[in-house]
Amino acid sequence: GAGVSQSPSNKVTEKGKDVELRCDPISGHTALYWYRQSLGQGLEFLIYFQGNSAPDKSGLPSDRFSAERTGGSVSTLTIQRTQQEDSAVYLCASSFGRSYYEQYFGPGTRLTVT
Amino acid sequence: SQQGEEDPQALSIQEGENATMNCSYKTSINNLQWYRQNSGRGLVHLILIRSNEREKHSGRLRVTLDTSKKSSSLLITASRAADTASYFCATLSNTGNQFYFGTGTSLTVIP
Repeated sequence: GAGVSQSPSNKVTEKGKDVELRCDPISGHTALYWYRQSLGQGLEFLIYFQGNSAPDKSGLPSDRFSAERTGGSVSTLTIQRTQQEDSAVYLCASSFGRSYYEQYFGPGTRLTVT
Repeated sequence: SQQGEEDPQALSIQEGENATMNCSYKTSINNLQWYRQNSGRGLVHLILIRSNEREKHSGRLRVTLDTSKKSSSLLITASRAADTASYFCATLSNTGNQFYFGTGTSLTVIP
């Protein structure tokens, strides 16, 4: 079946502009995660959605970052007034649940802020 | 701060040899997972070990977990050139929803 998809695959934007990154999780997966990976680094947790519960936003680095998940499916990560330090690969993952389930990752969106 | 730390940061071996990488973490965990990332791609799940398990096998992979030392190891036996990738451990704490990923071990298997 289809895996996790993300769009766009690459995004180049000017400093100060807003960007929206999209994630389509695997159908039936109730959990959805956003991560950020800087060059040569590990993954930094950003936000977690589980079903209809309030999202865990504890990893968002600033109030310029926000995310939504509509209808328990598609999610959008929005970065307002982008800064050069926002340049990274943004990865989305989904799973059947929080605890004993593997995460399925999308290919990521490479964001470059010039 | 990130909880998982892999060691070594980079490892280069000949095809056919075994590769061992280690992961240390800081707090009590629910489970620990290992993932693989090929260059420029998303991560692929390899194996999950629960906090009450000590060892797990999957094909050429062997994972151990020592909760008293807060550490885990991933052993890849009879390595192949196709095993060349970065390997990450990820831990889920007993509280909270965050998976903490380490900075990864970059494995190069020379044909």
